[in-house]
Amino acid sequence: GQQLNQSPQSMFIQEGEDVSMNCTSSSIFNTWLWYKQDPGEGPVLLIALYKAGELTSNGRLTAQFGITRKDSFLNISASIPSDVGIYFCAGPRGTNFGNEKLTFGTGTRLTIIP
Amino acid sequence: GAVVSQHPSWVICKSGTSVKIECRSLDFQATTMFWYRQFPKQSLMLMATSNEGSKATYEQGVEKDKFLINHASLTLSTLTVTSAHPEDSSFYICSASLDSTDTQYFGPGTRLTVL
Repeated sequence: GQQLNQSPQSMFIQEGEDVSMNCTSSSIFNTWLWYKQDPGEGPVLLIALYKAGELTSNGRLTAQFGITRKDSFLNISASIPSDVGIYFCAGPRGTNFGNEKLTFGTGTRLTIIP
Repeated sequence: GAVVSQHPSWVICKSGTSVKIECRSLDFQATTMFWYRQFPKQSLMLMATSNEGSKATYEQGVEKDKFLINHASLTLSTLTVTSAHPEDSSFYICSASLDSTDTQYFGPGTRLTVL
């Protein structure tokens, strides 16, 4: 089945640093989604990408849909304490992503060192 | 808008008992709801897809007789863990989508601990 591997698995950074993480797949996705999950909460959608090569920003977050359709990247600039959490990439298994089953990545845990 | 709630937020039960978890879309009608399970420090794994008025479809390896899903209305889906065992202890998260062109909105999750 489809697998989404995220790298790095965890990150320890200082406040103010920029963050980069990626997600790679063994198969093609037509949509890439990036979610953030706080401890004990459900995931919240950060950015959705719909076209290969697309670069989309949401405040300090920027995500890119890889040209090969098998990867995606998420960058966070000037990190702040509330950025702490687990970041998941996800992709729908089909093309109808609203009602499609999602495959989630392995997650990247972000920790900010005081 | 697009708020999804879950109840209870946490539950502790004895082994062998059944537990029901509710997922509600508060301000929209959800034609489809999804149920996920997340073990500690792991990713979300889809358990089943719930469509209003029809039987749920389960992912491979998920026992439909153990995890009963009822999607009785466009705003409510329930997951019942029957004869729960300690290995069923997990974080259960639901999501709901407006229609085929919209994103999934996730609930806050329910933490189940089976003693």
